[in-house]
Amino acid sequence: QQQVKQSPQSLIVQKGGISIINCAYENTAFDYFPWYQQFPGKGPALLIAIRPDVSEKKEGRFTISFNKSAKQFSLHIMDSQPGDSATYFCAASIRGRGSNYKLTFGKGTLLTVNP
Amino acid sequence: EAGVTQSPTHLIKTRGQQVTLRCSPISGHTSVYWYQQALGLGLQFLLWYDEGEERNRGNFPPRFSGRQFPNYSSELNVNALELEDSALYLCASSLDGQGRGNEQFFGPGTRLTVL
Repeated sequence: QQQVKQSPQSLIVQKGGISIINCAYENTAFDYFPWYQQFPGKGPALLIAIRPDVSEKKEGRFTISFNKSAKQFSLHIMDSQPGDSATYFCAASIRGRGSNYKLTFGKGTLLTVNP
Repeated sequence: EAGVTQSPTHLIKTRGQQVTLRCSPISGHTSVYWYQQALGLGLQFLLWYDEGEERNRGNFPPRFSGRQFPNYSSELNVNALELEDSALYLCASSLDGQGRGNEQFFGPGTRLTVL
């Protein structure tokens, strides 16, 4: 059972454009939603994260939009740059005391930003 | 501040052999997580250690095991290696397992190839 579904699998965007990656989750107990960026040969790097008590969080060019009722969240990369070309993973976990905090990941989106 | 470190970087083993992977968390972090990133399967949770104890494990057979040492470093052991164990093994650490700032930060991974 895939608890976090991510789309699209791959995305090509022109430099300066907006990259949008979407994720949907099934487990309503999830209460922490991070996004990771992974370059080839490297481990995933935490990019930005959101909790369900807010609908949007922005850090620089990266914005998470969260829709609790639809059980969906998305990553928007504004003014996309070739250096943003990487694989992006959404994830979800349960943070309450006594939980296991394990991250359940989406399958990833390979983003290519053309110059 | 040093990040999560893992060793070795690469490993090549043959079927049936045993392997030990090592991880040192960020200084001050007490929780260590292990994930497997196999081609086409995404990132899957393997094990979670906190304060020297195994707190949770994912859907992996018992031949995947590990431990956490008093200095919070950890090792992952895989016995009776199978071809499908070929993957990038990622270690992540977080501040603790009590919900206080448990963002997970990943190391660069160990690439295991089983021939």
